[in-house]
Amino acid sequence: DTEVTQTPKHLVMGMTNKKSLKCEQHMGHRAMYWYKQKAKKPPELMFVYSYEKLSINESVPSRFSPECPNSSLLNLHLHALQPEDSALYLCASSHGGTTYEQYFGPGTRLTVT
Amino acid sequence: AQSVTQLGSHVSVSEGALVLLRCNYSSSVPPYLFWYVQYPNQGLQLLLKYTSAATLVKGINGFEAEFKKSETSFHLTKPSAHMSDAAEYFCAVSDQGLTGGGNKLTFGTGTQLKVEL
Repeated sequence: DTEVTQTPKHLVMGMTNKKSLKCEQHMGHRAMYWYKQKAKKPPELMFVYSYEKLSINESVPSRFSPECPNSSLLNLHLHALQPEDSALYLCASSHGGTTYEQYFGPGTRLTVT
Repeated sequence: AQSVTQLGSHVSVSEGALVLLRCNYSSSVPPYLFWYVQYPNQGLQLLLKYTSAATLVKGINGFEAEFKKSETSFHLTKPSAHMSDAAEYFCAVSDQGLTGGGNKLTFGTGTQLKVEL
């Protein structure tokens, strides 16, 4: 099974709201990722977690706060977002060894009003 | 730094015709290369991967890609296009892995494939 699940599928939030995106995988993968994708563009890496530790933060604004409670779960906490943060947020996971393919979830479509 | 270039942001083919989507890579070390497909409002699905085991790689849905080191290319092909193949296709290259685990994928800008009757 190569499934990564994400909830919610859609999210509309105001600029003063606090919300969270959730990602889950049960493939035993040790690395998990958050990407942001704008329309007609490739995904942009935001964060990488490896063995539940944050290993990469691609200079993402602090209004995005990642959390990895355990090896199967990855959250993205959102606070005081801007309209330009509206995008498709993708979660991915990978084995973390010498096989480098990443498996992506279906994404959360976020709209900031 | 590693990178990939996808030639042609839009490709249109007739149903039943050959599909050819182009990807050229730049890497100072043997690359790990991937093709992903994305249908509207969905995540990315892995089509196939090259990890140096074989230069001709077969993937899902009848797609295949050939790694040509002399041309630094990894073009995606399918002998006969189907309407269901209409989607966005991304070529990607991976680094050699991060010190703490995981890896960084660098994506091309994508090619929108349109399949016409």
